[in-house]
Amino acid sequence: AQRVTQPEKLLSVFKGAPVELKCNYSYSGSPELFWYVQYSRQRLQLLLRHISRESIKGFTADLNKGETSFHLKKPFAQEEDSAMYYCALRERQGGSEKLVFGKGTKLTVNP
Amino acid sequence: SAVISQKPSRDICQRGTSLTIQCQVDSQVTMMFWYRQQPGQSLTLIATANQGSEATYESGFVIDKFPISRPNLTFSTLTVSNMSPEDSSIYLCSVDRSNTGELFFGEGSRLTVL
Repeated sequence: AQRVTQPEKLLSVFKGAPVELKCNYSYSGSPELFWYVQYSRQRLQLLLRHISRESIKGFTADLNKGETSFHLKKPFAQEEDSAMYYCALRERQGGSEKLVFGKGTKLTVNP
Repeated sequence: SAVISQKPSRDICQRGTSLTIQCQVDSQVTMMFWYRQQPGQSLTLIATANQGSEATYESGFVIDKFPISRPNLTFSTLTVSNMSPEDSSIYLCSVDRSNTGELFFGEGSRLTVL
């Protein structure tokens, strides 16, 4: 069975500190991974995807197939980064597809 | 980005009743996804709604409990039938407009069952 694990339910850092939100996955095929973010009172939205290899709002995430990880990192956290972050795996099977989400990590960036 | 509106945004219901949630998208999409987010839990896919065919349900979800309609390419409904307190959750509609895995979500429908 495919699975996405986010080991930290809560993560608290100070403004300016580095932050890393962990995500590990289990998937038998070639993985496609995403990070979604939900700010307070806003909809869940895409932050970044591993295929794009882009940096969004200072965040990056590298797919490490050896460690089956897709950790989200930012060198200097900002207060506006406080949000709920979800790692997601795109699963394709027999012509159908879906996104499987981890349980999420609530990030709090303190002033 | 897609504009997705869900109704109702929240409701309080009595045990044993049913509630239908509507999802309207501003453009035509092939697949619409219905997720559930229980308190403190992640998003769990209930079913994928395809226009012109039966919805595809995930393990643990059945059509009798969560009937879905998809009358056209911009609209879908999810009904939560014979509700119990365990059905209290946020129900989310989402679409993948470009088949890239980028889902656009509605604001969600927060359901409380007493």
